[in-house]
Amino acid sequence: DADVTQTPRNRITKTGKRIMLECSQTKGHDRMYWYRQDPGLGLRLIYYSFDVKDINKGEISDGYSVSRQAQAKFSLSLESAIPNQTALYFCATSDSGDRRSGANVLTFGAGSRLTVL
Amino acid sequence: QQQVKQSPQSLIVQKGGISIINCAYENTAFDYFPWYQQFPGKGPALLIAIRPDVSEKKEGRFTISFNKSAKQFSLHIMDSQPGDSATYFCAASRDSSYKLIFGSGTRLLVRP
Repeated sequence: DADVTQTPRNRITKTGKRIMLECSQTKGHDRMYWYRQDPGLGLRLIYYSFDVKDINKGEISDGYSVSRQAQAKFSLSLESAIPNQTALYFCATSDSGDRRSGANVLTFGAGSRLTVL
Repeated sequence: QQQVKQSPQSLIVQKGGISIINCAYENTAFDYFPWYQQFPGKGPALLIAIRPDVSEKKEGRFTISFNKSAKQFSLHIMDSQPGDSATYFCAASRDSSYKLIFGSGTRLLVRP
C-alpha cells in the first residue's frame, strides 16, 4: 500500500457541487499539506497542518477548506466548486522530526484529478 | 508574486546529453533548495537538495550548482537517459520550515 493515499484519483463534477478529496497516510508524519498543480504554475500550497489542532492557510486557500480528522487523515473540501478549480491536487506529508537533512522532505500522494464542468 | 522562477518550461535532450534546468529566487532568507522529480501519474519525489553553504552537490548523474550572489541554482543531469524523462520542480524554503515554494516546473524529454 502507498504511504500517502488519495481518494478519489479522478473526479468529474459540476459547478456549484460540494466536493471532498481525502488523504490518509501510514508514515506516522505529523505534518500534512494540500497542494494544487496547474500547467505552467507548478505546485501551489492550499492548506497545511502541523498536527490535529493546527490548520494554516497557504498561498491559495480561497474557495477551499480542510479538516484534520486524525493525525493520519487530512481532507480538502470545495464547498461550491467552480471551473477554475479544475486541477491536479496533491496531498503531502512530512516529519517535523526529520533530521537527515535538517529540512522538510515532502512525501506526496499520487494525486487527485478534479474536473469541474 | 513568483518567488521561485524556473526555466525552461520544457526541454528536449538526446540520450547521453546534458540536461540543464535553472531556477532563480528572490528571498535571501531561503536556506534550503530541493529538486523534486515527477513521473506521469505520480506525485513528485525528492531528487536532490542543497544548502547555501556549498556551491555544488552531486549525487550520481545529478548535480545541483548554487550561486548565492546571483540567487540562482540549477540542476544538471549528466548522460541523460530516456528514463529521466519527467517533470522537474525546483523549490526553496527558509529555516528548514514547512513552506516549500515551488517553481513552475520543467518538462524534460530525453530522446533515445
